Amino acid sequence: AQTVTQSQPEMSVQEAETVTLSCTYDTSENNYYLFWYKQPPSRQMILVIRQEAYKQQNATENRFSVNFQKAAKSFSLKISDSQLGDTAMYFCFCAGGGSEKLVFGKGTKLTVNP
Amino acid sequence: DAGVIQSPRHEVTEMGQEVTLRCKPISGHDYLFWYRQTMMRGLELLIYFNNNVPIDDSGMPEDRFSAKMPNASFSTLKIQPSEPRDSAVYFCASSWQGPTYEQYFGPGTRLTVT
Repeated sequence: AQTVTQSQPEMSVQEAETVTLSCTYDTSENNYYLFWYKQPPSRQMILVIRQEAYKQQNATENRFSVNFQKAAKSFSLKISDSQLGDTAMYFCFCAGGGSEKLVFGKGTKLTVNP
Repeated sequence: DAGVIQSPRHEVTEMGQEVTLRCKPISGHDYLFWYRQTMMRGLELLIYFNNNVPIDDSGMPEDRFSAKMPNASFSTLKIQPSEPRDSAVYFCASSWQGPTYEQYFGPGTRLTVT
């Protein structure tokens, strides 16, 4: 069965600094996709970044980037120049291309301090 | 587009009552997902549809839960009879190209069963 593990229940960072959130996963799929979603206090789930497993290049979206280590089944999210609006729960998500179930990690609560 | 619309936003009901949650996906999206979020279990996929047909319902907890998608613009999640352990936030999401692409989430329905 597909699993996603986020080992950091909570993290905090000072505004303008850089923080890295960890995610490890396990899947039997050869073709799969990894995501980071953000859930601010408003409860709205928002896509942060998406990575296709067959692409070696790490995905980047403005201040957000990932470190995708396929052999280690690791998919960490780096947030640069942290802003107060980045305060949220961050969920790692794995979607297989076949019959594996779609799975979210338990989340990491990130607080950006002024 | 108004995004994914869910109703009601909040529902309080007594144990044993029937509860119906509603979702309108984004127009043109062929995939619709129902998730449940609790503190203990995190975000869990309950069921998803493609072109109104259920594809994976392995996450539906038990026979008390049922989901339908009678047309491309409407889906329901019904719990009958409801129990206190069903208390959670239920999210509906839709996607244009499937679970390996971005899912757009609704605001969620907070269900409290007393």
